[in-house]
Amino acid sequence: DAGVIQSPRHEVTEMGQEVTLRCKPISGHDYLFWYRQTMMRGLELLIYFNNNVPIDDSGMPEDRFSAKMPNASFSTLKIQPSEPRDSAVYFCASSLGAGVPYNEQFFGPGTRLTVL
Amino acid sequence: ILNVEQSPQSLHVQEGDSTNFTCSFPSSNFYALHWYRWETAKSPEALFVMTLNGDEKKKGRISATLNTKEGYSYLYIKGSQPEDSATYLCAFKSDSWGKFQFGAGTQVVVTP
Repeated sequence: DAGVIQSPRHEVTEMGQEVTLRCKPISGHDYLFWYRQTMMRGLELLIYFNNNVPIDDSGMPEDRFSAKMPNASFSTLKIQPSEPRDSAVYFCASSLGAGVPYNEQFFGPGTRLTVL
Repeated sequence: ILNVEQSPQSLHVQEGDSTNFTCSFPSSNFYALHWYRWETAKSPEALFVMTLNGDEKKKGRISATLNTKEGYSYLYIKGSQPEDSATYLCAFKSDSWGKFQFGAGTQVVVTP
């Protein structure tokens, strides 16, 4: 398996623009997580899905952020409108199952977002 | 609210020396604790999955112990090498359906 795939790897945009980050989880994994890494807050969980259904979005900073998972092999994280403080590395991770503790997460390479 | 704490925040180790650092978590409810290794410019990779009080896991020169009653886990690096330089994250889960809470990490720098 190719692992978790994220695109783009780097994104530079101007304030006010819409940004869409994409993630393809490992085939067969039923959990998908979106994280944001910043210097101030470290690795921060934004939202996670189970079987394509959002379970907990309490980490989404505000209404400008939205995430979807239309099918088991694709998810998007959208920021509209983007602001400079959204600049960070965004990671997607997937895991298999929640009912067992051995469900370590497999992380994608991340998308480095810069909002000017 | 970050109730998973890692200490120290960073440490510098001479090549060949051994070191250890701590992950503290709430002891009231415990389901699992994971350790991840995160190298610069890469993504976190799972090191250990720990589920039982008294668990000891080992992978090469790196090992971990778990005390769920007092709410801590230690990670040890024996005979540190420059390639051990990374940030080590712990992630705590209090029940089977809850999300993992990550600590802020311990950054380890091993100098030759």
